[in-house]
Amino acid sequence: DTGVSQDPRHKITKRGQNVTFRCDPISEHNRLYWYRQTLGQGPEFLTYFQNEAQLEKSRLLSDRFSAERPKGSFSTLEIQRTEQGDSAMYLCASSPWTGDMNTEAFFGQGTRLTVV
Amino acid sequence: TQLLEQSPQFLSIQEGENLTVYCNSSSVFSSLQWYRQEPGEGPVLLVTVVTGGEVKKLKRLTFQFGDARKDSSLHITAAQTGDTGLYLCAGAIEDNAGNMLTFGGGTRLMVKP
Repeated sequence: DTGVSQDPRHKITKRGQNVTFRCDPISEHNRLYWYRQTLGQGPEFLTYFQNEAQLEKSRLLSDRFSAERPKGSFSTLEIQRTEQGDSAMYLCASSPWTGDMNTEAFFGQGTRLTVV
Repeated sequence: TQLLEQSPQFLSIQEGENLTVYCNSSSVFSSLQWYRQEPGEGPVLLVTVVTGGEVKKLKRLTFQFGDARKDSSLHITAAQTGDTGLYLCAGAIEDNAGNMLTFGGGTRLMVKP
């Protein structure tokens, strides 16, 4: 596999339910990012990891959102007690962080969440 | 308020026409990336510009980074229907150690046959 993989591609859930999304980054990419994109907007940064360490999480939208990357490989994003406003595309990206600010990020195909 | 402002938000042109999309900010970026996104898919990286004043060409696409590294433009020559999509610019903030990309709101391009 040569790309970022996200699962599932689509998720429909009832309001109040918890959902979890998975992201498998490009092999050996030590940086992993989560973004949210609502219709007609650009992606909005949520959080990122360097290996297993979550280095920035203040942008998570509320305490209902959490992310993990326990072994520094795949990551999960969980939303508890979903609300209709959580409906969006959730994007994962990875990059081979080398200390260079110009490292490029590569995105997965996203998980489209619909809360009904 | 978007840190990166893209204009226009929507653009509908005929095949064969030229177009320019702009990405502007008051912040200085260490690099700026352009992505193209199709409906229901993730953004696909087109190019990264790093040096102020840099110009990069990718077939019919020409990307320019402003001298002050606060703005960028994407010019498409002789647009084709396959160019239809959402074009996003994203900047890495110079003082952000996390290399967090900040995205513009996007330009939705439709090229009609």
